[in-house]
Amino acid sequence: KNEVEQSPQNLTAQEGEFITINCSYSVGISALHWLQQHPGGGIVSLFMLSSGKKKHGRLIATINIQEKHSSLHITASHPRDSAVYICAVRSKTTGNQFYFGTGTSLTVIP
Amino acid sequence: KAGVTQTPRYLIKTRGQQVTLSCSPISGHRSVSWYQQTPGQGLQFLFEYFSETQRNKGNFPGRFSGRQFSNSRSEMNVSTLELGDSALYLCASSLVCVRAYSGANVLTFGAGSRLTVL
Repeated sequence: KNEVEQSPQNLTAQEGEFITINCSYSVGISALHWLQQHPGGGIVSLFMLSSGKKKHGRLIATINIQEKHSSLHITASHPRDSAVYICAVRSKTTGNQFYFGTGTSLTVIP
Repeated sequence: KAGVTQTPRYLIKTRGQQVTLSCSPISGHRSVSWYQQTPGQGLQFLFEYFSETQRNKGNFPGRFSGRQFSNSRSEMNVSTLELGDSALYLCASSLVCVRAYSGANVLTFGAGSRLTVL
């Protein structure tokens, strides 16, 4: 049983397209994180959310606590956005553990 | 300021050996967490330390252990290595509110230590 489900698993987009990555979770959470991982392994934390919406440049993250769902949007996508995007939740019901989605591999074509 | 530093970056061990990995957090960060990433299982949470105390632990066998020192630097140890322990081991640090440990803080990841077990 996966506590965190992401969709789609793979996504190819043309440069400039609007992109949405979805994350659903089944546990009660204290926070949800969106992470970005480029080839080579380095992980960058994009957002940490516990409610509402956050925006940073072309990236927008939203969360609906009642529906246990979060989305990551990329506006005006660019080839440098090509990476794996990972949703992670900090559970408050199982001892503050982290659970991770399997990631969405995004390729943006020029 | 310097980021999260993990050493060594790459290492090769044989089955049955043990390994110790080190993580130096960002200055002022008091929480350090460890993760294992493999192609088959993805990212998995190992454990988390705050003020030299293990606060949370994932579902890994007792061969995986860790500790945190008074300067917030952390080490993790894997004993009796198995082939399946080959992975990228990542640590992350976060700034935690001193008054109440909420565990909900932005994470800064290190570049990882890539372990190959032969």
